Amino acid sequence: DAGVTQSPTHLIKTRGQHVTLRCSPISGHKSVSWYQQVLGQGPQFIFQYYEKEERGRGNFPDRFSARQFPNYSSELNVNALLLGDSALYLCASSPQGAYEQYFGPGTRLTVT
Amino acid sequence: KNEVEQSPQNLTAQEGEFITINCSYSVGISALHWLQQHPGGGIVSLFMLSSGKKKHGRLIATINIQEKHSSLHITASHPRDSAVYICAVRLNNAGNMLTFGGGTRLMVKP
Repeated sequence: DAGVTQSPTHLIKTRGQHVTLRCSPISGHKSVSWYQQVLGQGPQFIFQYYEKEERGRGNFPDRFSARQFPNYSSELNVNALLLGDSALYLCASSPQGAYEQYFGPGTRLTVT
Repeated sequence: KNEVEQSPQNLTAQEGEFITINCSYSVGISALHWLQQHPGGGIVSLFMLSSGKKKHGRLIATINIQEKHSSLHITASHPRDSAVYICAVRLNNAGNMLTFGGGTRLMVKP
């Protein structure tokens, strides 16, 4: 079975632009979580979606939004990019009713 | 003060040494995860613990719920163990959200 996949792997954007990051969970997993990892720090929780509904939100501004589709894949959108948004964005999926999280390889976003 | 603290932040060891990485947390949790992150970013889940001790190969993870402390041990360390090791906790009533420590960067020299 394929693991969690994310696209794109790398992305360079300019300040003020917006970006969409994509995540496909492991087949059968209904929960997707998004994390931001700034260089040299541990990841920070952004969102969790389960069955297409937002189940948790971290301390991030409204410029960050996400959604989950009927096939349980997910998109993370960031508007009005700032230099400080440069980070590795990680997606993790987990099965229904369980808490073991499986991480994707991440999307490295650079904002110039 | 961070809810999850790891020590040390950086660790250099010689191949074959026994390694211990520590994680302390200040709030009630339902589970604790140990994760491994290699250069390039990919994260692999090593253990998920809610009590006691787990062992997988040369890796051992323990947790003391009363003391709010967990340790990750690596026996007979090898250069391929070089990575960042991250402790993450699932807070009570926080669903599937993980709160992460800052990571411990381990380098094992041959």
